[in-house]
Amino acid sequence: EAQVTQNPRYLITVTGKKLTVTCSQNMNHEYMSWYRQDPGLGLRQIYYSMNVEVTDKGDVPEGYKVSRKEKRNFPLILESPSPNQTSLYFCASRRTGAGTNEKLFFGSGTQLSVL
Amino acid sequence: AQSVTQLGSHVSVSEGALVLLRCNYSSSVPPYLFWYVQYPNQGLQLLLKYTTGATLVKGINGFEAEFKKSETSFHLTKPSAHMSDAAEYFCAVIHGSGNTGKLIFGQGTTLQVKP
Repeated sequence: EAQVTQNPRYLITVTGKKLTVTCSQNMNHEYMSWYRQDPGLGLRQIYYSMNVEVTDKGDVPEGYKVSRKEKRNFPLILESPSPNQTSLYFCASRRTGAGTNEKLFFGSGTQLSVL
Repeated sequence: AQSVTQLGSHVSVSEGALVLLRCNYSSSVPPYLFWYVQYPNQGLQLLLKYTTGATLVKGINGFEAEFKKSETSFHLTKPSAHMSDAAEYFCAVIHGSGNTGKLIFGQGTTLQVKP
């Protein structure tokens, strides 16, 4: 089954404790992206990657890092989480061959609470 | 820069009634427009998209949307609401071109369906 898998689904942590949210897709997609969803703000892009070893900032990259060492994986790293990073996070992927109008496939989300 | 505005953060309809979710976009180039749906505790799924051609676009689950350039709108409709349609709906527009374009999401509209 084609899917984007995020882990964990729920995470509670404390300020300053480094954490990683994993994302993996099994569709051989080149493009992967991270979004955060906050009430009244919709989804905002954090980082994206066009392919292995190619990453770039989205609209709200501060406080986040990513890496793309393998095509299927795109982890989101919070080196020193702060309470304003409490949010619902989504990973997504798509093909790039036909351009930007390709459908995005989303993971089920990670609800992060930073105390 | 491209952007979208969804009118109404909450919409409530009775089962069997018409569903109308409003979306207006701003774009300096011919837009690619999307509607995504998010069911509780799930990631987003593509409902439908407009790229070029026919301005009335049909999607899954009986939804459709009409691209109206003169009104810069892309409203989502369904003739008869079902309880299972209760979800959050996001309108989105592509920002940029080529393979690096990204989705810009609206704020989201929560659809409540009353029995």
